[in-house]
Amino acid sequence: DAGVIQSPRHEVTEMGQEVTLRCKPISGHDYLFWYRQTMMRGLELLIYFNNNVPIDDSGMPEDRFSAKMPNASFSTLKIQPSEPRDSAVYFCASSRTGGETQYFGPGTRLLVL
Amino acid sequence: EDQVTQSPEALRLQEGESSSLNCSYTVSGLRGLFWYRQDPGKGPEFLFTLYSAGEEKEKERLKATLTKKESFLHITAPKPEDSATYLCAVQAEFSGGYNKLIFGAGTRLAVHP
Repeated sequence: DAGVIQSPRHEVTEMGQEVTLRCKPISGHDYLFWYRQTMMRGLELLIYFNNNVPIDDSGMPEDRFSAKMPNASFSTLKIQPSEPRDSAVYFCASSRTGGETQYFGPGTRLLVL
Repeated sequence: EDQVTQSPEALRLQEGESSSLNCSYTVSGLRGLFWYRQDPGKGPEFLFTLYSAGEEKEKERLKATLTKKESFLHITAPKPEDSATYLCAVQAEFSGGYNKLIFGAGTRLAVHP
């Protein structure tokens, strides 16, 4: 089975540009999570979806961040406009149910210059 | 406030030198404790889930144990390929179908030949 798929794997952009990160969860998983990982703050949950519906976005740092899940096999995390402090590794994870193991994708390493 | 603390931050071992990593937690009703392994440039890889005090799980050279306040990841006769960051995460009791994962900062393990 394919695991969680993320693209791009690396993204370098300039401050002020729009960035879109993409995720394909494991088939049959009803929950999708977006995390951010930095050296200072570790792994932080940004937002999660259940059956394509956003449930909790309290971890989204500010209005520049938005996430969508138009169908069960695709989600996006968008940053507009991007800032240097957004530089981090962004992970997508999915789980079959809310209480089960979350499986992580390989991450997108974002650098905002 | 729910909290997870991992120690040590970094650990250097000689090949074959057994040791333990610690994960202490404070959470209002533990539903599960998860161990993940993360290699550089990759996403966290699931290792174990523990649900109740006294439970133990093993996988090759790794053994995870759980008490009411902490978990240990014991590494027996480690090999260089065990070098990675080991992450601990806890799930609290929930309502509504989702248990938020709270991650520790991780322990960076380096095993030298």
